[in-house]
This record gives sequence, structure tokens and C-alpha cells, in this order.
Amino acid sequence: DIQMTQSPSSLSASVGDRVTITCRASQSISRYLNWYQQQPGKAPKLLIYAASSLQSGVPSRFSGSGSGTDFTLTISSLQPEDFATYYCQQTYSTPWTFGQGTKVEIK
Amino acid sequence: QVQLQESGPGLVKPSQTLSLTCTVSGGSISSGNYYWSWIRQHPGKGLEWIGYIYYSGTTYYNPSLKSRVTISVDTSKNQFSLKLSSVTAADTAVYYCARELPCGGDCRPFDYWGQGTLVTVSS
Repeated sequence: DIQMTQSPSSLSASVGDRVTITCRASQSISRYLNWYQQQPGKAPKLLIYAASSLQSGVPSRFSGSGSGTDFTLTISSLQPEDFATYYCQQTYSTPWTFGQGTKVEIK
Repeated sequence: QVQLQESGPGLVKPSQTLSLTCTVSGGSISSGNYYWSWIRQHPGKGLEWIGYIYYSGTTYYNPSLKSRVTISVDTSKNQFSLKLSSVTAADTAVYYCARELPCGGDCRPFDYWGQGTLVTVSS
């Protein structure tokens, strides 16, 4: 299985901050990397697919980059509704696997 | 707007079989090139992909659960189902159904999710 490792596991930030979350794959996954946001008690929501494609309806402050083994999710200006847990996921090779999550908390 | 809804018992006894159904509305389960997946999340933990099914019945299961998992589809009811046998407390989790969006090659993100259903394994 391809292991996905996110860093940091948690972070504290303020409204308006620029936030970057990193995801590293245990082997090259080309650009088959997706990012999800999960609010407490809710299902995950797709933000970014194929490393950098913004899902329809997702605010443009979210962006993704990377290829191969290293990927980043950036929130350009953190908003109150962005405090949540973020997961990366690879679909390069079955079984699909997720990172352990990064919790973004209010500073 | 596609919607997915999980249904099934919220409590299952150890050694029994967990059975859940996902009903899809707002679109046909057999249209397009979509794969339909089950994912679970242990309390306070991360996400674990269980497996997928195509409307034709083609399946793939996570090897970690393969010996206990069966996913099936009923196109006439626009539903797909999960069965997980010989459950233990370690199978207590929120179970989600989701649609995989085919976006070229191995691009297969989950674009629609059900709300999730908590299944507790306890006697």
C-alpha cells in the first residue's frame, strides 16, 4: 500500500493567515492526489483533485500543487469556516489511501 | 444534484454481519463511468477506504478487509450495499458511501458523499 504522510498533524492559525499543509507519498503517485476538508460530524468535502484542480464551488483561496511524492494544500487567507481537518488521498494505486489528517485550529 | 444516503442498523453484535445500503438519488447509478465506494472512519481517527463497485458488478476490495467484505449493487433500486462479516469492536466506525468522479486516468476523487452512519459493534 502507498503510505500518505501529512504534516503538520495540527496547527493553530488566525483568520487571514496563509496556511500550508504538506502531504508526502511513500512512492511516486504522479498527480493523482486529492484534498478533502472535514468539519466535525460531517462527511469529507472534496476541495482539490488531481493535485491542483479546484472542485466546482470551492473558494479560490484554496489551491494545491505538487507531483511525484510531495504535495501541498494552501489556504491563502484563512476564513472562520476553514477551521477543520484536512485529508490528502491518493488514487494512483489501489487500495486508495488517505493521510492521517491535519487539524487546523483557531489561534 | 446527486445525493447519497446510508441506511442500516446502528448496532451489530460481535461475530455477526454488518449490512448497510447506500441509496443514490438525483442520478442513475448505472449512468456514466462512476465507481461507488464505501469508506469508514473509526471514532476520532482517519479515513479508511473499504472498496468499490461499478454498476456492472465489478468490485475491488481493500486487501486489509477483503476476506470479510462484500459489496453489491441493485441498479433497479439505485442502491449499492456493504456487508462486513465476523465483526468485532474494531469495526465500530462511521461508514460513508461515496461516488468516485472519473476525471481521466487514475484521477478518481470522491466528489459526493453520504452523511455517514455510525455502526457500533457491541453485545
